Amino acid sequence: GIQVEQSPPDLILQEGANSTLRCNFSDSVNNLQWFHQNPWGQLINLFYIPSGTKQNGRLSATTVATERYSLLYISSSQTTDSGVYFCAAWGGYQKVTFGTGTKLQVIP
Amino acid sequence: GAGVSQSPSNKVTEKGKDVELRCDPISGHTALYWYRQSLGQGLEFLIYFQGNSAPDKSGLPSDRFSAERTGGSVSTLTIQRTQQEDSAVYLCASSTPQGPTNEKLFFGSGTQLSVL
Repeated sequence: GIQVEQSPPDLILQEGANSTLRCNFSDSVNNLQWFHQNPWGQLINLFYIPSGTKQNGRLSATTVATERYSLLYISSSQTTDSGVYFCAAWGGYQKVTFGTGTKLQVIP
Repeated sequence: GAGVSQSPSNKVTEKGKDVELRCDPISGHTALYWYRQSLGQGLEFLIYFQGNSAPDKSGLPSDRFSAERTGGSVSTLTIQRTQQEDSAVYLCASSTPQGPTNEKLFFGSGTQLSVL
């Protein structure tokens, strides 16, 4: 099956700083999604991005499918950005594989 | 419904008892997934349904775990003779694949299971 690796595993940022989270996947995929798990455990959809670039406010994501990686950019980080960021990747009609996540802590 | 609904939100049980966890997917979503997340850990895949059939149940940790889905909608995850190591958050997600691409997952809020 597809392997998904995320880096870094942990990240501490000063409020206002920018960061880049990375997701590598082992095989070609048709679907890729980024999630934020907030401190209450809820998984929030951030981006569905099997290829290309999308932006939503201070967040943006880029997936280079041919090179099998995706990046999540967080600009001007805020304390509310804290939590765990997961990348999930899968082919068509297959089970979804999640990475182990990046735990982000934004300190004031 | 408007989102994926899971019940109960919290369940405390005694070791050895059976529990049933329920997932109501978004209306019309044909794919349904169960995951388990232990404290501070990632998401552990349990089982995947496409309609009422489960093409991949490779993640079920033992024969004490079973799941079914009826009418292409509601799914129930059953854990028999619960053990303390079963304590975790059980998450359900649903999606509606539009062919092999364009499948977006939506998660419920999970069921926190505590086995005493």
